[in-house]
Amino acid sequence: DAGVIQSPRHEVTEMGQEVTLRCKPISGHDYLFWYRQTMMRGLELLIYFNNNVPIDDSGMPEDRFSAKMPNASFSTLKIQPSEPRDSAVYFCASSQDRDYGYTFGSGTRLTVV
Amino acid sequence: EDQVTQSPEALRLQEGESSSLNCSYTVSGLRGLFWYRQDPGKGPEFLFTLYSAGEEKEKERLKATLTKKESFLHITAPKPEDSATYLCAVQGFSGGYNKLIFGAGTRLAVHP
Repeated sequence: DAGVIQSPRHEVTEMGQEVTLRCKPISGHDYLFWYRQTMMRGLELLIYFNNNVPIDDSGMPEDRFSAKMPNASFSTLKIQPSEPRDSAVYFCASSQDRDYGYTFGSGTRLTVV
Repeated sequence: EDQVTQSPEALRLQEGESSSLNCSYTVSGLRGLFWYRQDPGKGPEFLFTLYSAGEEKEKERLKATLTKKESFLHITAPKPEDSATYLCAVQGFSGGYNKLIFGAGTRLAVHP
Protein backbone atom coordinates (compact mmCIF):
# COMPACT_ATOMS: atom_id res chain seq x y z
CA ASP A 1 0.00 0.00 0.00
CA ALA A 2 1.26 3.50 -0.83
CA GLY A 3 0.08 4.89 2.49
CA VAL A 4 -1.89 8.09 2.92
CA ILE A 5 -1.26 10.37 -0.04
CA GLN A 6 -1.53 14.13 0.24
CA SER A 7 -1.19 16.78 -2.41
CA PRO A 8 0.31 19.22 -2.96
CA ARG A 9 3.40 18.86 -0.73
CA HIS A 10 3.92 22.60 -0.70
CA GLU A 11 1.53 25.45 -1.44
CA VAL A 12 2.29 29.14 -1.47
CA THR A 13 -0.64 31.45 -2.04
CA GLU A 14 -1.62 35.04 -1.59
CA MET A 15 -3.94 36.20 1.13
CA GLY A 16 -7.54 36.06 -0.02
CA GLN A 17 -7.06 33.19 -2.43
CA GLU A 18 -8.82 29.85 -2.20
CA VAL A 19 -6.69 26.86 -1.23
CA THR A 20 -7.65 23.20 -1.65
CA LEU A 21 -5.71 20.41 0.00
CA ARG A 22 -6.25 16.82 -1.07
CA CYS A 23 -5.99 13.45 0.62
CA LYS A 24 -6.27 9.83 -0.43
CA PRO A 25 -6.58 7.54 2.60
CA ILE A 26 -5.44 3.95 2.83
CA SER A 27 -7.91 1.61 1.22
CA GLY A 28 -10.14 -0.05 3.79
CA HIS A 29 -9.64 2.56 6.48
CA ASP A 30 -12.98 3.79 7.77
CA TYR A 31 -11.75 6.92 9.51
CA LEU A 32 -10.14 10.00 8.01
CA PHE A 33 -8.70 12.90 9.99
CA TRP A 34 -7.44 16.37 9.12
CA TYR A 35 -4.85 17.87 11.49
CA ARG A 36 -2.97 21.15 11.45
CA GLN A 37 0.52 21.49 12.95
CA THR A 38 2.21 24.73 13.99
CA MET A 39 5.10 25.48 16.30
CA MET A 40 2.83 27.40 18.65
CA ARG A 41 -0.10 25.00 18.90
CA GLY A 42 1.33 21.64 17.90
CA LEU A 43 -1.00 19.11 16.26
CA GLU A 44 -4.65 20.17 16.31
CA LEU A 45 -7.52 18.05 15.08
CA LEU A 46 -9.66 19.99 12.62
CA ILE A 47 -12.26 17.43 11.56
CA TYR A 48 -12.73 13.70 11.18
CA PHE A 49 -14.92 11.45 9.10
CA ASN A 50 -16.24 7.95 9.63
CA ASN A 51 -17.44 6.10 6.54
CA ASN A 52 -17.34 9.41 4.61
CA VAL A 53 -19.60 11.18 7.13
CA PRO A 54 -18.24 14.13 9.15
CA ILE A 55 -18.38 13.18 12.82
CA ASP A 56 -16.67 16.03 14.65
CA ASP A 57 -15.78 19.38 13.09
CA SER A 58 -15.41 21.28 16.36
CA GLY A 59 -11.74 21.95 15.59
CA MET A 60 -12.42 23.79 12.34
CA PRO A 61 -11.27 27.30 13.23
CA GLU A 62 -13.72 29.37 11.18
CA ASP A 63 -16.31 29.25 8.45
CA ARG A 64 -13.47 29.87 6.02
CA PHE A 65 -12.53 26.21 6.47
CA SER A 66 -14.55 23.41 4.96
CA ALA A 67 -13.91 19.71 4.39
CA LYS A 68 -15.57 17.10 2.25
CA MET A 69 -15.28 13.39 1.69
CA PRO A 70 -17.29 12.52 -1.42
CA ASN A 71 -16.16 8.88 -1.38
CA ALA A 72 -14.02 6.46 0.59
CA SER A 73 -10.87 7.24 -1.36
CA PHE A 74 -10.79 11.03 -1.43
CA SER A 75 -11.11 14.03 0.85
CA THR A 76 -10.50 17.74 0.50
CA LEU A 77 -9.85 20.55 2.94
CA LYS A 78 -10.64 23.99 1.55
CA ILE A 79 -9.75 27.40 2.90
CA GLN A 80 -11.56 30.37 1.37
CA PRO A 81 -10.40 33.08 1.72
CA SER A 82 -6.95 32.21 3.03
CA GLU A 83 -5.13 34.36 5.60
CA PRO A 84 -1.47 34.48 6.70
CA ARG A 85 -2.38 32.91 10.06
CA ASP A 86 -3.50 29.79 8.19
CA SER A 87 0.14 29.08 7.37
CA ALA A 88 0.93 25.64 8.83
CA VAL A 89 1.52 22.02 7.89
CA TYR A 90 -1.76 20.23 7.26
CA PHE A 91 -1.80 16.48 7.79
CA CYS A 92 -4.32 13.94 6.71
CA ALA A 93 -4.46 10.60 8.55
CA SER A 94 -6.54 7.48 8.24
CA SER A 95 -7.35 4.67 10.64
CA GLN A 96 -8.88 1.24 10.43
CA ASP A 97 -9.06 0.54 14.11
CA ARG A 98 -7.78 2.20 17.23
CA ASP A 99 -5.40 -0.70 17.89
CA TYR A 100 -3.34 0.31 14.92
CA GLY A 101 -3.24 4.02 15.56
CA TYR A 102 -3.40 6.50 12.75
CA THR A 103 -1.36 6.45 9.56
CA PHE A 104 -0.39 9.97 8.62
CA GLY A 105 0.41 11.38 5.21
CA SER A 106 3.50 13.45 4.57
CA GLY A 107 1.59 16.69 4.96
CA THR A 108 1.02 19.84 2.93
CA ARG A 109 3.08 22.85 3.96
CA LEU A 110 0.87 25.88 3.35
CA THR A 111 2.30 29.39 3.26
CA VAL A 112 -0.08 32.32 2.87
CA VAL A 113 1.65 35.59 2.05
CA GLU B 1 -11.09 18.89 28.76
CA ASP B 2 -8.55 16.27 27.74
CA GLN B 3 -4.96 17.48 28.02
CA VAL B 4 -1.50 16.09 27.32
CA THR B 5 1.76 17.58 28.62
CA GLN B 6 5.13 16.27 27.50
CA SER B 7 8.51 16.86 29.12
CA PRO B 8 11.19 17.78 28.52
CA GLU B 9 10.59 19.93 25.44
CA ALA B 10 14.02 19.00 24.14
CA LEU B 11 16.59 16.39 25.14
CA ARG B 12 20.16 15.95 24.00
CA LEU B 13 21.85 12.60 24.61
CA GLN B 14 25.15 11.02 23.77
CA GLU B 15 24.98 7.78 21.85
CA GLY B 16 24.43 4.97 24.34
CA GLU B 17 23.13 7.27 27.09
CA SER B 18 19.74 5.91 28.18
CA SER B 19 16.93 8.23 29.26
CA SER B 20 13.16 8.63 29.53
CA LEU B 21 10.55 10.95 28.07
CA ASN B 22 7.45 11.83 30.07
CA CYS B 23 3.83 12.24 29.02
CA SER B 24 1.34 13.44 31.65
CA TYR B 25 -2.32 13.35 30.76
CA THR B 26 -5.74 14.39 31.99
CA VAL B 27 -8.62 12.60 30.36
CA SER B 28 -12.15 11.67 31.34
CA GLY B 29 -11.75 7.95 30.88
CA LEU B 30 -8.78 6.67 28.94
CA ARG B 31 -9.48 4.59 25.86
CA GLY B 32 -5.84 4.52 24.83
CA LEU B 33 -2.50 6.33 24.96
CA PHE B 34 -0.44 6.50 21.78
CA TRP B 35 3.21 7.23 21.05
CA TYR B 36 4.38 8.52 17.68
CA ARG B 37 7.73 9.44 16.20
CA GLN B 38 8.01 12.39 13.80
CA ASP B 39 11.03 13.08 11.61
CA PRO B 40 11.55 16.56 10.09
CA GLY B 41 9.36 17.14 7.03
CA LYS B 42 7.34 13.97 7.61
CA GLY B 43 4.11 12.93 9.22
CA PRO B 44 4.03 11.24 12.62
CA GLU B 45 4.76 7.51 12.56
CA PHE B 46 2.85 5.21 14.90
CA LEU B 47 4.92 3.44 17.58
CA PHE B 48 2.72 2.07 20.38
CA THR B 49 -0.75 1.99 21.91
CA LEU B 50 -1.23 1.41 25.65
CA TYR B 51 -4.64 0.83 27.19
CA SER B 52 -4.36 0.23 30.91
CA ALA B 53 -2.12 1.10 33.84
CA GLY B 54 0.76 -1.31 34.20
CA GLU B 55 0.91 -2.13 30.51
CA GLU B 56 4.28 -2.05 28.75
CA LYS B 57 5.28 -2.36 25.09
CA GLU B 58 8.69 -2.59 23.47
CA LYS B 59 10.15 -2.00 20.05
CA GLU B 60 13.90 -2.22 19.52
CA ARG B 61 15.46 0.35 21.88
CA LEU B 62 12.11 1.85 22.92
CA LYS B 63 9.85 0.79 25.77
CA ALA B 64 6.60 2.53 26.67
CA THR B 65 4.94 2.24 30.07
CA LEU B 66 1.65 3.53 31.44
CA THR B 67 0.32 4.57 34.83
CA LYS B 68 -3.01 6.18 35.68
CA LYS B 69 -1.60 9.69 35.21
CA GLU B 70 1.41 9.40 32.92
CA SER B 71 3.35 7.43 30.41
CA PHE B 72 7.07 7.08 29.91
CA LEU B 73 9.00 6.33 26.77
CA HIS B 74 12.29 4.76 27.80
CA ILE B 75 15.13 4.83 25.30
CA THR B 76 17.91 2.34 25.98
CA ALA B 77 21.36 2.87 24.48
CA PRO B 78 20.08 5.31 21.84
CA LYS B 79 21.67 5.75 18.44
CA PRO B 80 21.81 8.88 16.26
CA GLU B 81 19.01 7.46 14.09
CA ASP B 82 16.70 7.69 17.13
CA SER B 83 16.84 11.48 16.82
CA ALA B 84 13.31 12.74 16.16
CA THR B 85 10.35 14.38 17.86
CA TYR B 86 8.34 11.96 19.97
CA LEU B 87 4.65 12.70 20.33
CA CYS B 88 2.22 11.38 22.90
CA ALA B 89 -1.55 11.37 22.34
CA VAL B 90 -4.60 10.28 24.32
CA GLN B 91 -7.96 9.01 23.26
CA GLY B 92 -10.68 9.59 25.83
CA PHE B 93 -14.28 8.54 26.11
CA SER B 94 -15.57 12.11 26.07
CA GLY B 95 -13.93 13.21 22.84
CA GLY B 96 -15.70 10.91 20.50
CA TYR B 97 -14.54 7.59 19.28
CA ASN B 98 -11.11 7.55 17.72
CA LYS B 99 -10.26 11.22 18.35
CA LEU B 100 -6.66 11.76 19.47
CA ILE B 101 -5.39 14.76 21.45
CA PHE B 102 -1.64 15.29 21.01
CA GLY B 103 1.00 16.75 23.28
CA ALA B 104 3.56 19.25 22.01
CA GLY B 105 6.26 16.60 21.73
CA THR B 106 9.83 16.07 22.92
CA ARG B 107 12.63 16.81 20.45
CA LEU B 108 15.33 14.21 20.94
CA ALA B 109 18.84 14.66 19.57
CA VAL B 110 21.32 11.78 19.92
CA HIS B 111 24.92 12.65 19.18
CA PRO B 112 27.67 10.18 18.29
